[in-house]
Amino acid sequence: GESVGLHLPTLSVQEGDNSIINCAYSNSASDYFIWYKQESGKGPQFIIDIRSNMDKRQGQRVTVLLNKTVKHLSLQIAATQPGDSAVYFCAGDAGNMLTFGGGTRLMVKP
Amino acid sequence: KAGVTQTPRYLIKTRGQQVTLSCSPISGHRSVSWYQQTPGQGLQFLFEYFSETQRNKGNFPGRFSGRQFSNSRSEMNVSTLELGDSALYLCASSLRLAGGQADTQYFGPGTRLTVL
Repeated sequence: GESVGLHLPTLSVQEGDNSIINCAYSNSASDYFIWYKQESGKGPQFIIDIRSNMDKRQGQRVTVLLNKTVKHLSLQIAATQPGDSAVYFCAGDAGNMLTFGGGTRLMVKP
Repeated sequence: KAGVTQTPRYLIKTRGQQVTLSCSPISGHRSVSWYQQTPGQGLQFLFEYFSETQRNKGNFPGRFSGRQFSNSRSEMNVSTLELGDSALYLCASSLRLAGGQADTQYFGPGTRLTVL
């Protein structure tokens, strides 16, 4: 969620399994949500987005679910691959100003 | 289309100095936002510039400032550097749709600033 700290929660999955990364947001003014992937030494990379008038959006191997009632986002990655190993951030946008969650580290075991 | 570029990639400064970081947005993008990323505080919004005007500002002291040029390139400046300013500074650009509707922000690789 939007808690921050030195120790990121870690999700460890087997290659080929599906991954689900969760995020809670607190800014009710956010009407646009984005998932970013950040690899070591790089800036955040856009994965998928969803606007507040939707509750589900699918991309290639990724799906984002939005539950506005409980202010919860999730990112589902199908058939997780070693290249998916990274830190994943959710972000809520309220007027072109992003508020980021604390991030989740995804580790994919071969 | 080239992505967001930031220069320099790495900087080492000492306390009390000032620093200027540069960002070139994706061609056609008129909005540039700056973020600070630290292990302790995560990713935090600094400010956003659109059409050479600051449109949004985060909760940072006045030592952090920025500007945007007519070609949409942006610079941020930090004066009187403190040890706690050591961070990865990220720039992001977006189209900023008409009517203020949020649009995807695309990030550059960042500038790693170390203050000694």
